[in-house]
Amino acid sequence: AQSVSQHNHHVILSEAASLELGCNYSYGGTVNLFWYVQYPGQHLQLLLKYFSGDPLVKGIKGFEAEFIKSKFSFNLRKPSVQWSDTAEYFCAVNSGTYKYIFGTGTRLKVLA
Amino acid sequence: DVKVTQSSRYLVKRTGEKVFLECVQDMDHENMFWYRQDPGLGLRLIYFSYDVKMKEKGDIPEGYSVSREKKERFSLILESASTNQTSMYLCASSLRGSSYNSPLHFGNGTRLTVT
Repeated sequence: AQSVSQHNHHVILSEAASLELGCNYSYGGTVNLFWYVQYPGQHLQLLLKYFSGDPLVKGIKGFEAEFIKSKFSFNLRKPSVQWSDTAEYFCAVNSGTYKYIFGTGTRLKVLA
Repeated sequence: DVKVTQSSRYLVKRTGEKVFLECVQDMDHENMFWYRQDPGLGLRLIYFSYDVKMKEKGDIPEGYSVSREKKERFSLILESASTNQTSMYLCASSLRGSSYNSPLHFGNGTRLTVT
């Protein structure tokens, strides 16, 4: 069965530190990849998505992610985090059906 | 901007009650979803609908049913609420698309407590 793994469940960083959140999926075919963010008290919203083409995708608020097909990974990065990036981040995979598989989420806390 | 509206932000119900969670989207999306969000488990799909009156079971449909009588509205029904259904419930919608690469648009969620 398809699955998505987010290995970091809780991450604490100081402002201006660099961020990398890991996401690995298990599916050998063509995939669509997403990162969603949930700020405290708000709804889940799309950060960025990858369908095809350039494996380095840029999203909102300075986030980017790199699709490495050989590693089945889609890690999220930000060079310098801000206090306002405190949120829960979810990686999701869709393999061309209605079914989106979500990871268990990573709670990021940024210390001011 | 797409808006997905869930009728209640917080609900407290008693065991055995029938519970209705309502969701409305305003962007004419074909697909609508109900997820359950629990700490450490991420989002799990309960039911999915790709058209009016059409529905498919997700990963955890037991104890739930759904109704989609109009394109913009998708209801989740707990026939007889139990304490293990205490959770955050998220509604989402998306365009159908040919390869399902349309992102999901989520509502704010309904936090249901069953006592």
